[in-house]
Amino acid sequence: DAGVIQSPRHEVTEMGQEVTLRCKPISGHNSLFWYRQTMMRGLELLIYFNNNVPIDDSGMPEDRFSAKMPNASFSTLKIQPSEPRDSAVYFCASNTARPKRFYEQYFGPGTRLTVT
Amino acid sequence: SQQGEEDPQALSIQEGENATMNCSYKTSINNLQWYRQNSGRGLVHLILIRSNEREKHSGRLRVTLDTSKKSSSLLITASRAADTASYFCATMDTGRRALTFGSGTRLQVQP
Repeated sequence: DAGVIQSPRHEVTEMGQEVTLRCKPISGHNSLFWYRQTMMRGLELLIYFNNNVPIDDSGMPEDRFSAKMPNASFSTLKIQPSEPRDSAVYFCASNTARPKRFYEQYFGPGTRLTVT
Repeated sequence: SQQGEEDPQALSIQEGENATMNCSYKTSINNLQWYRQNSGRGLVHLILIRSNEREKHSGRLRVTLDTSKKSSSLLITASRAADTASYFCATMDTGRRALTFGSGTRLQVQP
C-alpha cells in the first residue's frame, strides 16, 4: 500500500498565480479530505468528498479556492489567484467505510505552499 | 475552526518518564482520536475512543474519555526519544465524518 500521495511536496509561487495541489488517495478508500495547517489557525478542514461527491465545503476560505474529485483515485485543490496568506501546509487524507477502520484517517505527507 | 484546546501546549520530559496530554472539546461527539505528527511530516493515527467508552489502551498508550466534562487525556508511558513529536486530539461530531483538530501538544523527550 503506497499510502496517500500528494504532489508537489513543495510549491513556491508569486502572488496572483494559480496553484494546483494534487492528491491520490489510498486505493479502495471512498472518502477524501483536504486540510490546511498554519501556525496561527492550526489544522483546519477545507472540504471533504464521499464517493467523489463534495459533502462539506464550509471550510473553504473563499471563492479563490476550489476542489474537484473527478474519479476515485484523484483530487485537486486549486487556488486562483493565490495570496501570501494562503501560505500553509496542505494535507490530503482518505479513509473508507470498513468495519473497525471506518473512522481512522490516513494522511499524506503534505504540500508546503509558499506564496511570495 | 479548531474545537479542541490541548494542554499543555508544550511538554519536555526525560526518557523513561510518563507524558500526559489533555484535550477539551465543545460539541457532541461520535468518537475522539489522537494523532502524532513528526516535524515536517503528515499525521499518523494513534488511537480512537468511541463516545461510549471511558478508557482504551494500545501498547504504551492509554486514552481516557469523559463525555460529561467533554475532555480526554492521552498518557504515554515509559517515553522514548522517538516519541518526540506533536500530538493532536481530533473529534468526530455526531453525524459527521470529518475531524476537528485541537491545537496540539509539542512533546520533547530528552534522551
